[in-house]
Amino acid sequence: EDKVVQSPLSLVVHEGDTVTLNCSYEVTNFRSLLWYKQEKKAPTFLFMLTSSGIEKKSGRLSSILDKKELFSILNITATQTGDSAIYLCAVLQGGSEKLVFGKGTKLTVNP
Amino acid sequence: DGGITQSPKYLFRKEGQNVTLSCEQNLNHDAMYWYRQDPGQGLRLIYYSQIVNDFQKGDIAEGYSVSREKKESFPLTVTSAQKNPTAFYLCASSIDGQLYNSPLHFGNGTRLTVT
Repeated sequence: EDKVVQSPLSLVVHEGDTVTLNCSYEVTNFRSLLWYKQEKKAPTFLFMLTSSGIEKKSGRLSSILDKKELFSILNITATQTGDSAIYLCAVLQGGSEKLVFGKGTKLTVNP
Repeated sequence: DGGITQSPKYLFRKEGQNVTLSCEQNLNHDAMYWYRQDPGQGLRLIYYSQIVNDFQKGDIAEGYSVSREKKESFPLTVTSAQKNPTAFYLCASSIDGQLYNSPLHFGNGTRLTVT
């Protein structure tokens, strides 16, 4: 069965901390891995990763993929209260063009 | 501003009633999707449509129905056959259904409560 597992499921930190969110997967016909941020309602796209070892970066957020070990990490440095959200990891399957989502990591950043 | 509009934001229904959730997009996207989100669960695909007048079942289609008569609109009906309809429903679209090239854009969701 295809699955995407995120850890931790919940995380509480203080402003300024650095956090690492994990996403491991067992999905047939892997095509790419995506990260989304869901603050209150609509998930918004963060990154798409297709190749191992190439870091994607946007401001304080960065992500990398390891296709040999089948996982990805999302790093957030110098966290701010506005980073509080659910972070969703999803794997795109080739052929079917379907996304398999993990359960998400709920990040709370306290002032 | 282009985007996806879901309405209503909150919906309350009695058990046994069918209910239709609206999803409209003005992004000129070909493909549209319905996902269900439950607490502690990942997003699960209900139905998707890559072109007008055509749609396919996702992983949890039982108890749901859709139509795609116009490119802009993809309404979802939650029927009385859906055993556990209370959930947060997200509509999404992509340019051409090739998600490798065009990641999903999501609406703000409809929270459905059935009692």
